[in-house]
Amino acid sequence: ETGVTQTPRHLVMGMTNKKSLKCEQHLGHNAMYWYKQSAKKPLELMFVYSLEERVENNSVPSRFSPECPNSSHLFLHLHTLQPEDSALYLCASSQDRGFGNTIYFGEGSWLTVV
Amino acid sequence: AQKVTQAQTEISVVEKEDVTLDCVYETRDTTYYLFWYKQPPSGELVFLIRRNSFDEQNEISGRYSWNFQKSTSSFNFTITASQVVDSAVYFCALSDLTDSWGKLQFGAGTQVVVTP
Repeated sequence: ETGVTQTPRHLVMGMTNKKSLKCEQHLGHNAMYWYKQSAKKPLELMFVYSLEERVENNSVPSRFSPECPNSSHLFLHLHTLQPEDSALYLCASSQDRGFGNTIYFGEGSWLTVV
Repeated sequence: AQKVTQAQTEISVVEKEDVTLDCVYETRDTTYYLFWYKQPPSGELVFLIRRNSFDEQNEISGRYSWNFQKSTSSFNFTITASQVVDSAVYFCALSDLTDSWGKLQFGAGTQVVVTP
């Protein structure tokens, strides 16, 4: 069983829909992350939360809205997405944010925007 | 500027062959960390190894081995006697302090295809 679980694994949504991706980590970590992986592109760091506080937002469009209610859960709320937002969204966690910490990833949520 | 270079886009081998994945990194720091991750078709990025810059000993874990050479800024990964289950994309990553709080900088990945 993976220490970071993501639901749903697959999501198809229309451009006018509102949906959410959910992530839960069972590792007792203090930092959580959202990454985006598009076809033929490197992994992009989207958001970082440390002790439930957002500490980084890498110029992500406002149609992506993260939420971290506690140190074990992380959400990514999606609304009015574009087809180019279709990608694999990976949640991850690490003991702490920062230098040298090993990041553990979930299985990802495959998102298709139609 | 790209800090982690994985020049091999795709490597195809036949089962039982050895395969070596190259990783060249760039940093001005003397203290840094290097990582390898495996991403099978299912999507999950699986952590394989973390190495700090002061530990240059090569490491072996089963059929996996890593060759860290600071002199050439390389951290290469070898799979011995490859198996079909090794088919995946492999990412090398660097954590240093030159630009931020040490966030992971990933290479572009190398696709390994192992055929029976």
